[in-house]
Amino acid sequence: AQSVSQHNHHVILSEAASLELGCNYSYGGTVNLFWYVQYPGQHLQLLLKYFSGDPLVKGIKGFEAEFIKSKFSFNLRKPSVQWSDTAEYFCAVNSGGSNYKLTFGKGTLLTVNP
Amino acid sequence: KAGVTQTPRYLIKTRGQQVTLSCSPISGHRSVSWYQQTPGQGLQFLFEYFSETQRNKGNFPGRFSGRQFSNSRSEMNVSTLELGDSALYLCASSLEGLRSSGANVLTFGAGSRLTVL
Repeated sequence: AQSVSQHNHHVILSEAASLELGCNYSYGGTVNLFWYVQYPGQHLQLLLKYFSGDPLVKGIKGFEAEFIKSKFSFNLRKPSVQWSDTAEYFCAVNSGGSNYKLTFGKGTLLTVNP
Repeated sequence: KAGVTQTPRYLIKTRGQQVTLSCSPISGHRSVSWYQQTPGQGLQFLFEYFSETQRNKGNFPGRFSGRQFSNSRSEMNVSTLELGDSALYLCASSLEGLRSSGANVLTFGAGSRLTVL
């Protein structure tokens, strides 16, 4: 069964600091990878996605993620965070085979202090 | 266009009761999937419906069931509620569902927060 690991449960940064949130998955075949974000009091929404092609994908609000197949990783990055980036971030994997389902990591809560 | 609508937003039940939650997808979306979100377990996949058929199911007991109507609206039902069923239940819709790599971007609703006493 596929699984998704997010390395950090809670990350606290100051504004303008750089961000990297780790995500590793366990599935050896073709995968579709996502980062979703849940701002306080709001719906889960898509931040960025990887289906194929360039392994460096850019999303909304200056976020980007790099798919490294050999490391089974899809880490999320942002060079300079803002207070408004305070939210919970979820990595998710959809693999093929006979069991199509979206598997989420347990989430990383990011707190950005002004 | 209107987003994914879930009703009710909040509800309180007691152990042993049953509950039905509703999800109206974005117009034109044929897939609805359901997720349970708890602080301890995070987001866990319950099941996906596509064109009124359940296509996949997560690792939940048979007390959790669902269905989808011809207009793509979906309901999920939890029978014989337990304290551990307290959670935020999210539904998400997409055009072609989780089997379609190019079109399986999900749009989530606000969720139904269930408290079991």
